[in-house]
Amino acid sequence: DAGVIQSPRHEVTEMGQEVTLRCKPISGHNSLFWYRQTMMRGLELLIYFNNNVPIDDSGMPEDRFSAKMPNASFSTLKIQPSEPRDSAVYFCASSLFGQNTEAFFGQGTRLTVV
Amino acid sequence: ELKVEQNPLFLSMQEGKNYTIYCNYSTTSDRLYWYRQDPGKSLESLFVLLSNGAVKQEGRLMASLDTKARLSTLHITAAVHDLSATYFCALRSARQLTFGSGTQLTVLP
Repeated sequence: DAGVIQSPRHEVTEMGQEVTLRCKPISGHNSLFWYRQTMMRGLELLIYFNNNVPIDDSGMPEDRFSAKMPNASFSTLKIQPSEPRDSAVYFCASSLFGQNTEAFFGQGTRLTVV
Repeated sequence: ELKVEQNPLFLSMQEGKNYTIYCNYSTTSDRLYWYRQDPGKSLESLFVLLSNGAVKQEGRLMASLDTKARLSTLHITAAVHDLSATYFCALRSARQLTFGSGTQLTVLP
């Protein structure tokens, strides 16, 4: 398996623009997590899906952030409009819910909002 | 609110020395994970600890779990430069996978 695949790897955008981050989880995994990592706040859980259904989105910072998982093999995290304080590395991770295995992380998307 | 606290946050150690990183958590759980992150890279799974008293070892790293004390440790034996990285513990509760702040380890020659 190719692992968790995220795209793009790097994104530079201007303030106010819409940004869409993409994630393909490991085939067969039924849990998907979106995290944001910054120096100041560390790793923050934004949202968690189980069987394509959002279970906990309490970490989504504002209404500007939205996430979808239309099927088991694809998820998006959208920021609209983007702001400079959204600059961070965004990680997607997947795992098997109900099993005791760990979550596997994608390579991340480094977002810079100027 | 689930809290996962690691200490120390920063650790510089000489090659060949031993040290321990601590991970305390605030709720009952028996699923504790350790990850490693190199600068600019993703997180790599190191250990999965699933029960009280669990101990896992890989090379110079050994992780243990005490669910009664709500404590996990990552012990480094005879450190080498290649171990320089940031180490995270993470706790799996019913709905979340919550990470500690990370311990940035630097092994000096």
